[in-house]
Amino acid sequence: ILNVEQSPQSLHVQEGDSTNFTCSFPSSNFYALHWYRWETAKSPEALFVMTLNGDEKKKGRISATLNTKEGYSYLYIKGSQPEDSATYLCAFHNTDKLIFGTGTRLQVFP
Amino acid sequence: ETGVTQSPTHLIKTRGQQVTLRCSSQSGHNTVSWYQQALGQGPQFIFQYYREEENGRGNFPPRFSGLQFPNYSSELNVNALELDDSALYLCASRELAGLSTGELFFGEGSRLTVL
Repeated sequence: ILNVEQSPQSLHVQEGDSTNFTCSFPSSNFYALHWYRWETAKSPEALFVMTLNGDEKKKGRISATLNTKEGYSYLYIKGSQPEDSATYLCAFHNTDKLIFGTGTRLQVFP
Repeated sequence: ETGVTQSPTHLIKTRGQQVTLRCSSQSGHNTVSWYQQALGQGPQFIFQYYREEENGRGNFPPRFSGLQFPNYSSELNVNALELDDSALYLCASRELAGLSTGELFFGEGSRLTVL
């Protein structure tokens, strides 16, 4: 059974704090690792799709790294803002489907 | 460019009934997949359609079935509903199938409650 684990399950931080989450995935049959941001009552939106070992991607204050050999990815948010409050999902792309983790729920307090 | 739209947004059914959920893919996308998100879980892959044919399926029983139409809209049908089918059902589209690493574009989901 292919499993994707995310930690922590939830996180509460103050505005301005930097934070990071972890996604662990199987290291075999790797095609891609996706990160999605999911705000309440909205649809999940893609942040990054990462394909190569050592990949680093950045979008504004959010960045991600990828280690396919050991099967983990980190998502970093620098200087968290209240609008960053959301659930962050990672998904392991295996052949024809994505296998999602249960997400990290981030709450940023002003 | 219109996004992925799903209908209905909420519905309530009773055990044993049948339900049809609908999805309109993003313009230009020929692949649609369906996911079930139960409470406290991540989205679970149900199946994927590419050019009107199922080309991938997760661990869901045959009473979960689907269709994709020539305009790339899609339906998810669930027969003989069980209490455990209560969940948020997400539809996602993308441009390519197979080994494409393209991001998914999601709808807002249909929340099904089975009583």
